[in-house]
Amino acid sequence: EVQLVESGGGLVQPGGSLRLSCAASGFAFSDHYMDWVRQAPGKGLEWVGRSRNKANSYTTQYAASMKGRFTVSRDVSENSLYLQMNSLRTEDTAVYFCARAQLRYFDGLSHYSMDVWGKGTTVTVSS
Amino acid sequence: DIQMTQSPSSLSASVGDRVIITCRASQNINNYLAWFQQKPGKAPKSLISAASSLQSGVPSKFSGSGSGTDFTLTISSLQPEDFATYYCQQYKDYPLTFGGGTKVEIK
Repeated sequence: EVQLVESGGGLVQPGGSLRLSCAASGFAFSDHYMDWVRQAPGKGLEWVGRSRNKANSYTTQYAASMKGRFTVSRDVSENSLYLQMNSLRTEDTAVYFCARAQLRYFDGLSHYSMDVWGKGTTVTVSS
Repeated sequence: DIQMTQSPSSLSASVGDRVIITCRASQNINNYLAWFQQKPGKAPKSLISAASSLQSGVPSKFSGSGSGTDFTLTISSLQPEDFATYYCQQYKDYPLTFGGGTKVEIK
């Protein structure tokens, strides 16, 4: 069974740091793009960042508001994805989800769309 | 950034109704569009990718259409388990962006 389980959330003061983990199982972790998506209380979904797969050297991409503060990485030996969050702000308070991005081909073109999601971990930034 | 605009932001419907949700992109995204369903307190669930391709295990009452800038998600006959919030998302360009969501409520 394909499964993603996030952990590491909690209460942190503004300016602090936190590292979230996402344990992956049931699929070839190194072959897939992986995403972090967050949802502030009562709000919609917001993409945070991406780690591409081994074939693409695990390169990363970020939303502008997170770039420079957040870092996405992975440990393939542990089948784990990470989100290192620094200089946290109150507006970073949210549930953070990790998601697998599935590769499918349509008309010969590659599509990487999120297909499996974890249940999320809650981050609260408050003094 | 590509802006995704969903309409309506909420709707009330009855069991058995046909429901249509629209999503408009601020520029051409071809068919690089996904739809997700989210119930309160739960993770999103993937419904459709490539604008019209159902994910494995998603019932055929869900369908998607469109290309370019205008897209729709149709639920052919609304059932109690379909009351949820639905999001579109473009994945043509970074940053990946979501629509604001459409909350489908019971009339």
